[in-house]
Amino acid sequence: AQTVTQSQPEMSVQEAETVTLSCTYDTSESDYYLFWYKQPPSRQMILVIRQEAYKQQNATENRFSVNFQKAAKSFSLKISDSQLGDAAMYFCAYRSPQGGSEKLVFGKGTKLTVNP
Amino acid sequence: KAGVTQTPRYLIKTRGQQVTLSCSPISGHRSVSWYQQTPGQGLQFLFEYFSETQRNKGNFPGRFSGRQFSNSRSEMNVSTLELGDSALYLCASTADLNAYEQYFGPGTRLTVT
Repeated sequence: AQTVTQSQPEMSVQEAETVTLSCTYDTSESDYYLFWYKQPPSRQMILVIRQEAYKQQNATENRFSVNFQKAAKSFSLKISDSQLGDAAMYFCAYRSPQGGSEKLVFGKGTKLTVNP
Repeated sequence: KAGVTQTPRYLIKTRGQQVTLSCSPISGHRSVSWYQQTPGQGLQFLFEYFSETQRNKGNFPGRFSGRQFSNSRSEMNVSTLELGDSALYLCASTADLNAYEQYFGPGTRLTVT
């Protein structure tokens, strides 16, 4: 079974600075999808960024980018120019493409605080 | 388009009772997944439905069940509630199989006393 580990329960960053959230995963599959989801306090979970394992190029979405190291099974999220609205729980998630299942395996999350 | 809606948003039940939670996916979405979120266990997959068929089930006891209707709306039921069932129950919908993005609802906060 796949597992996802987020080793940083909490992180903090100053507004306008850069922060990196860590995620490692364990799988025997060669093809899969990785995601970062954001869950603001009392608000809905939204997708931040995704990465297909077969793509070597790291995904980027505006101020959000990932460092995908397939051999190391590492998938970190970098947030540049942090804003107060970035404060939230961030979850790393894994999805297997086998069988067309939508099942996501989540890490325990990292609570990000943005200081003004 | 309206987002994923879940009803009720908050619920308080007593041990031993049963509860039914409802999820309406985004219009046109045919796949619905359910997750349980607790501080201790984090987010755990409950089950997944596509076109009224359960495609996948997580490692939860048989007290947890679900179904999907022809209009893609889904319900989950928990019978004989235990204190440990207190959690935020999240529903997510996707447009089709192998769609990348799951759209999450606001969740139903269930408290069992």
